[in-house]
Amino acid sequence: KAGVTQTPRYLIKTRGQQVTLSCSPISGHRSVSWYQQTPGQGLQFLFEYFSETQRNKGNFPGRFSGRQFSNSRSEMNVSTLELGDSALYLCASSSEGGFNEKLFFGSGTQLSVL
Amino acid sequence: DQQVKQNSPSLSVQEGRISILNCDYTNSMFDYFLWYKKYPAEGPTFLISISSIKDKNEDGRFTVFLNKSAKHLSLHIVPSQPGDSAVYFCAASTFSGNTPLVFGKGTRLSVIA
Repeated sequence: KAGVTQTPRYLIKTRGQQVTLSCSPISGHRSVSWYQQTPGQGLQFLFEYFSETQRNKGNFPGRFSGRQFSNSRSEMNVSTLELGDSALYLCASSSEGGFNEKLFFGSGTQLSVL
Repeated sequence: DQQVKQNSPSLSVQEGRISILNCDYTNSMFDYFLWYKKYPAEGPTFLISISSIKDKNEDGRFTVFLNKSAKHLSLHIVPSQPGDSAVYFCAASTFSGNTPLVFGKGTRLSVIA
């Protein structure tokens, strides 16, 4: 079974631009969560989607948004990029989306904002 | 406010000895705890979990201990192996599964041969 796939692996953008990251969950998994990892803050929860609906949202500004498609693939978008958005963005999938379930993470997208 | 704290950013242990990684939490609603391991350039992988109805859970060389009164958990790795060198994240949620995982900042474990 293929794991969670995130594309692209690396991305360099400049301040003010926008970016879209993609995540394909494990086949059959309906929940996709997104996390931001920075050296100072660890992993911070962005949002979770289940069956195309956002079920949970973390404490991030509205510049961070996401969506999920009918095949469970998910995208997250960051608009008006700031230097502080430089981070590793991780996507995780699970079958039913309960946070007491084991999450399967992708390798992440490393975003650098210059 | 950090609800899950891993106060040791790094830990070095000799191969064959015990590694003890610590985690404290502040939110009394948390009753389900997990440990994830992360190698460079890879996503975190699930290691072991424990619910608050237990105080210990074992899986091979890995044991997690939970002290609810102290709001403290620890991960023991015995014996430690060089392949265990990674960043370990403690995470907390509720057993109902409705609360997004809250992660600590991680502890980098180095196992020296």
